[in-house]
Amino acid sequence: DVQLVESGGGLVQPGGSLRLSCTASGFTFSGYWMTWVRQAPGKGLEWVACIKQDGSDKNYMDSMKGRFTISRDNAKSSLYLQMNGLRAEDTAVYYCGRFNNDILSGYSTAIDHWGQGTLVTVSS
Amino acid sequence: QSALTQPRSVSGSPGQSVTISCTGTSSDAGDYRFVSWYQQRPGRAPELMIYEVTKRPSGVPDRFSGSKSGNTASLTISGVQAEDEADYYCCSLAGGYYVFGGGTELTVL
Repeated sequence: DVQLVESGGGLVQPGGSLRLSCTASGFTFSGYWMTWVRQAPGKGLEWVACIKQDGSDKNYMDSMKGRFTISRDNAKSSLYLQMNGLRAEDTAVYYCGRFNNDILSGYSTAIDHWGQGTLVTVSS
Repeated sequence: QSALTQPRSVSGSPGQSVTISCTGTSSDAGDYRFVSWYQQRPGRAPELMIYEVTKRPSGVPDRFSGSKSGNTASLTISGVQAEDEADYYCCSLAGGYYVFGGGTELTVL
């Protein structure tokens, strides 16, 4: 079974840094685009960033460019999110997600597996 | 990258059909070729219900269907059941970026 397990969340002061990890199992990690999506308490989903199979292509939500960095280690089947300059508004549950590989269309545009999420709280 | 517009809430009685809309501009939602829908129950991670506008992943009941018309995508639940009560989010790919809708709370009466 596909499993995605996030870790690294916690309480951090404004301006601080945190590195989230997502360990994948049950599939060939190097064959899939991966992504981070966050959800502030009581709010909706917000896409954060995504990364191509070999790490050569990365995209970010505008508000996170320059502060967040997505990366991956295919040898460890792991996805990461380095978050710097954290603000109170970054407080959220951060989900790791795997994009699908649709056989018919060849596209990978939907998140077909999600982790359980890790909570990041930015507060003094 | 503005959020796509969804109704805050919809409701229906068991067995009725319910439709949730998702509207955005072409700059926020692209050409709507890559719209997906997610169901999220309280305290749980989202689950994929529809992708590429109309496709249904294996395991998703066939009462869930997707469509689009112009700059509006829709999720229809034909014969809603109590277990369908949840929040639903649309998501679209536009120019390498993903944007979610604000979410719709479905209440089964």
